Amino acid sequence: SQKIEQNSEALNIQEGKTATLTCNYTNYSPAYLQWYRQDPGRGPVFLLLIRENEKEKRKERLKVTFDTTLKQSLFHITASQPADSATYLCARGNFNKFYFGSGTKLNVKP
Amino acid sequence: DTEVTQTPKHLVMGMTNKKSLKCEQHMGHRAMYWYKQKAKKPPELMFVYSYEKLSINESVPSRFSPECPNSSLLNLHLHALQPEDSALYLCASSQDPFGALTRTDTQYFGPGTRLTVL
Repeated sequence: SQKIEQNSEALNIQEGKTATLTCNYTNYSPAYLQWYRQDPGRGPVFLLLIRENEKEKRKERLKVTFDTTLKQSLFHITASQPADSATYLCARGNFNKFYFGSGTKLNVKP
Repeated sequence: DTEVTQTPKHLVMGMTNKKSLKCEQHMGHRAMYWYKQKAKKPPELMFVYSYEKLSINESVPSRFSPECPNSSLLNLHLHALQPEDSALYLCASSQDPFGALTRTDTQYFGPGTRLTVL
Protein backbone atom coordinates (compact mmCIF):
# COMPACT_ATOMS: atom_id res chain seq x y z
CA SER A 1 0.00 0.00 0.00
CA GLN A 2 1.07 3.58 -0.52
CA LYS A 3 1.67 4.74 2.99
CA ILE A 4 2.43 8.12 4.40
CA GLU A 5 3.71 7.99 7.96
CA GLN A 6 4.55 10.37 10.73
CA ASN A 7 6.41 8.28 13.24
CA SER A 8 6.34 10.69 16.16
CA GLU A 9 3.01 10.95 17.92
CA ALA A 10 4.19 13.85 20.03
CA LEU A 11 7.11 16.24 20.27
CA ASN A 12 7.86 18.43 23.28
CA ILE A 13 10.31 21.30 22.90
CA GLN A 14 11.29 24.47 24.70
CA GLU A 15 10.22 27.86 23.40
CA GLY A 16 12.81 29.38 21.08
CA LYS A 17 14.15 26.04 19.85
CA THR A 18 13.65 24.57 16.39
CA ALA A 19 11.00 21.89 16.06
CA THR A 20 11.61 19.23 13.41
CA LEU A 21 8.81 16.91 12.34
CA THR A 22 9.22 13.94 10.01
CA CYS A 23 7.02 12.49 7.29
CA ASN A 24 7.99 9.28 5.49
CA TYR A 25 6.42 7.61 2.50
CA THR A 26 6.78 4.11 1.11
CA ASN A 27 5.96 2.19 -2.08
CA TYR A 28 5.44 5.24 -4.30
CA SER A 29 6.88 8.59 -5.27
CA PRO A 30 4.50 11.46 -4.61
CA ALA A 31 4.64 14.41 -6.96
CA TYR A 32 4.28 16.66 -3.96
CA LEU A 33 3.68 16.67 -0.23
CA GLN A 34 1.70 19.11 1.83
CA TRP A 35 1.84 20.13 5.47
CA TYR A 36 -1.19 21.21 7.48
CA ARG A 37 -1.74 22.46 10.99
CA GLN A 38 -4.73 21.32 13.01
CA ASP A 39 -5.87 22.77 16.31
CA PRO A 40 -8.21 20.75 18.58
CA GLY A 41 -11.77 20.58 17.27
CA ARG A 42 -10.88 22.53 14.12
CA GLY A 43 -10.26 21.66 10.50
CA PRO A 44 -6.70 21.42 9.17
CA VAL A 45 -5.14 24.59 7.78
CA PHE A 46 -2.76 24.42 4.84
CA LEU A 47 0.78 25.60 5.56
CA LEU A 48 3.23 24.58 2.85
CA LEU A 49 3.50 22.47 -0.26
CA ILE A 50 6.71 21.08 -1.70
CA ARG A 51 7.11 19.42 -5.08
CA GLU A 52 9.35 16.43 -5.75
CA ASN A 53 11.78 18.58 -7.77
CA GLU A 54 12.14 21.10 -4.95
CA LYS A 55 14.66 20.52 -2.18
CA GLU A 56 13.38 23.16 0.19
CA LYS A 57 10.52 25.60 0.69
CA ARG A 58 10.30 28.40 3.25
CA LYS A 59 7.54 30.56 4.65
CA GLU A 60 8.40 32.89 7.51
CA ARG A 61 9.57 30.62 10.37
CA LEU A 62 8.56 27.46 8.53
CA LYS A 63 10.77 25.32 6.31
CA VAL A 64 9.99 22.10 4.49
CA THR A 65 12.46 19.79 2.80
CA PHE A 66 11.84 16.89 0.44
CA ASP A 67 14.40 14.11 0.09
CA THR A 68 13.35 11.65 -2.59
CA THR A 69 16.31 9.40 -1.83
CA LEU A 70 15.32 8.98 1.80
CA LYS A 71 11.62 9.15 0.88
CA GLN A 72 11.16 11.73 3.54
CA SER A 73 9.95 15.26 4.17
CA LEU A 74 11.06 17.31 7.15
CA PHE A 75 9.06 20.20 8.55
CA HIS A 76 10.91 22.75 10.66
CA ILE A 77 9.60 25.56 12.84
CA THR A 78 12.38 27.88 13.93
CA ALA A 79 12.20 30.08 17.04
CA SER A 80 9.18 28.08 18.17
CA GLN A 81 6.50 29.71 20.29
CA PRO A 82 3.79 28.28 22.56
CA ALA A 83 1.28 29.42 19.92
CA ASP A 84 2.86 26.89 17.55
CA SER A 85 1.50 24.09 19.73
CA ALA A 86 -0.85 22.04 17.54
CA THR A 87 -0.99 18.82 15.55
CA TYR A 88 0.88 18.92 12.26
CA LEU A 89 -0.20 16.65 9.44
CA CYS A 90 1.58 15.78 6.25
CA ALA A 91 -0.48 14.79 3.26
CA ARG A 92 0.02 13.41 -0.19
CA GLY A 93 -2.20 14.10 -3.12
CA ASN A 94 -2.98 12.01 -6.14
CA PHE A 95 -5.27 13.86 -8.52
CA ASN A 96 -8.14 14.77 -6.24
CA LYS A 97 -7.57 12.24 -3.49
CA PHE A 98 -5.70 13.30 -0.40
CA TYR A 99 -4.30 11.06 2.30
CA PHE A 100 -3.03 12.30 5.60
CA GLY A 101 -0.37 10.99 7.90
CA SER A 102 -1.36 10.29 11.49
CA GLY A 103 0.02 13.64 12.64
CA THR A 104 2.54 14.82 15.20
CA LYS A 105 1.34 16.76 18.20
CA LEU A 106 3.80 19.55 18.92
CA ASN A 107 3.92 21.04 22.41
CA VAL A 108 6.07 24.13 22.82
CA LYS A 109 6.75 24.87 26.47
CA PRO A 110 7.33 28.45 27.64
CA ASP B 1 -13.56 34.98 0.82
CA THR B 2 -11.40 31.96 1.63
CA GLU B 3 -13.77 30.40 4.08
CA VAL B 4 -15.54 27.07 4.14
CA THR B 5 -18.51 27.09 6.47
CA GLN B 6 -20.20 24.09 8.05
CA THR B 7 -23.46 23.75 9.93
CA PRO B 8 -24.31 22.72 12.53
CA LYS B 9 -21.22 22.91 14.73
CA HIS B 10 -22.51 20.18 16.99
CA LEU B 11 -25.13 17.50 16.38
CA VAL B 12 -26.50 14.83 18.68
CA MET B 13 -28.76 12.24 17.13
CA GLY B 14 -30.30 8.90 17.91
CA MET B 15 -29.77 5.84 15.78
CA THR B 16 -33.21 6.17 14.20
CA ASN B 17 -32.93 9.86 13.33
CA LYS B 18 -32.38 11.43 9.94
CA LYS B 19 -30.21 14.54 9.86
CA SER B 20 -28.08 16.48 7.41
CA LEU B 21 -24.75 18.23 7.56
CA LYS B 22 -24.20 21.27 5.38
CA CYS B 23 -21.11 22.80 3.85
CA GLU B 24 -20.70 25.97 1.78
CA GLN B 25 -17.84 27.70 -0.03
CA HIS B 26 -17.77 30.78 -2.25
CA MET B 27 -14.24 30.50 -3.60
CA GLY B 28 -15.32 29.11 -6.95
CA HIS B 29 -13.73 25.76 -6.12
CA ARG B 30 -14.92 22.86 -8.25
CA ALA B 31 -13.98 20.00 -5.92
CA MET B 32 -15.59 19.39 -2.55
CA TYR B 33 -14.83 16.71 -0.02
CA TRP B 34 -16.21 15.02 3.05
CA TYR B 35 -13.83 13.62 5.65
CA LYS B 36 -14.42 11.77 8.90
CA GLN B 37 -12.01 12.27 11.77
CA LYS B 38 -11.95 10.28 14.98
CA ALA B 39 -10.09 11.52 18.04
CA LYS B 40 -6.29 11.49 17.68
CA LYS B 41 -6.56 10.13 14.14
CA PRO B 42 -6.01 11.83 10.78
CA PRO B 43 -8.92 12.83 8.57
CA GLU B 44 -10.18 9.95 6.45
CA LEU B 45 -11.53 10.69 3.01
CA MET B 46 -15.19 9.71 2.50
CA PHE B 47 -16.46 11.36 -0.68
CA VAL B 48 -15.22 13.65 -3.43
CA TYR B 49 -17.38 15.74 -5.73
CA SER B 50 -15.85 17.12 -8.91
CA TYR B 51 -17.90 19.63 -10.89
CA GLU B 52 -20.95 18.67 -8.80
CA LYS B 53 -20.62 15.00 -9.68
CA LEU B 54 -19.64 12.29 -7.23
CA SER B 55 -16.22 11.14 -8.36
CA ILE B 56 -14.96 9.19 -5.37
CA ASN B 57 -16.73 7.12 -2.73
CA GLU B 58 -14.24 5.49 -0.41
CA SER B 59 -16.48 2.50 0.35
CA VAL B 60 -18.58 4.49 2.76
CA PRO B 61 -21.68 2.74 4.22
CA SER B 62 -24.97 3.72 2.60
CA ARG B 63 -26.22 5.27 5.82
CA PHE B 64 -24.11 8.26 4.69
CA SER B 65 -25.52 9.88 1.56
CA PRO B 66 -23.76 12.87 -0.01
CA GLU B 67 -25.39 15.47 -2.20
CA CYS B 68 -24.01 18.42 -4.14
CA PRO B 69 -26.93 20.68 -5.12
CA ASN B 70 -24.67 23.25 -6.79
CA SER B 71 -21.03 24.22 -7.03
CA SER B 72 -21.08 26.04 -3.68
CA LEU B 73 -22.99 23.59 -1.52
CA LEU B 74 -22.33 20.12 -0.22
CA ASN B 75 -24.60 18.11 2.04
CA LEU B 76 -24.15 14.88 3.92
CA HIS B 77 -27.41 13.10 4.75
CA LEU B 78 -27.32 10.81 7.75
CA HIS B 79 -29.73 7.98 8.47
CA ALA B 80 -29.67 5.05 10.88
CA LEU B 81 -26.19 5.82 12.14
CA GLN B 82 -24.32 3.78 14.69
CA PRO B 83 -22.56 5.04 17.83
CA GLU B 84 -19.20 4.29 16.16
CA ASP B 85 -20.06 6.94 13.56
CA SER B 86 -19.56 9.60 16.21
CA ALA B 87 -16.71 11.79 14.98
CA LEU B 88 -15.73 15.19 13.62
CA TYR B 89 -16.99 15.52 10.05
CA LEU B 90 -14.94 17.86 7.96
CA CYS B 91 -15.82 19.45 4.66
CA ALA B 92 -13.11 20.77 2.35
CA SER B 93 -12.86 22.33 -1.07
CA SER B 94 -10.12 22.74 -3.63
CA GLN B 95 -9.79 24.56 -6.90
CA ASP B 96 -8.83 21.92 -9.39
CA PRO B 97 -10.50 18.52 -9.22
CA PHE B 98 -8.60 17.05 -12.12
CA GLY B 99 -5.07 18.14 -11.31
CA ALA B 100 -2.43 16.04 -13.02
CA LEU B 101 0.33 14.39 -10.99
CA THR B 102 2.65 17.31 -11.52
CA ARG B 103 0.04 19.87 -10.62
CA THR B 104 -0.91 20.75 -7.11
CA ASP B 105 -4.09 21.46 -5.31
CA THR B 106 -4.45 22.53 -1.72
CA GLN B 107 -7.53 22.02 0.36
CA TYR B 108 -9.45 24.51 2.44
CA PHE B 109 -11.21 22.94 5.39
CA GLY B 110 -14.25 24.01 7.30
CA PRO B 111 -14.35 23.94 11.10
CA GLY B 112 -16.22 20.65 11.12
CA THR B 113 -19.38 19.28 12.67
CA ARG B 114 -18.96 17.34 15.89
CA LEU B 115 -21.43 14.45 15.59
CA THR B 116 -22.51 12.30 18.50
CA VAL B 117 -24.71 9.26 17.85
CA LEU B 118 -26.50 7.92 20.91
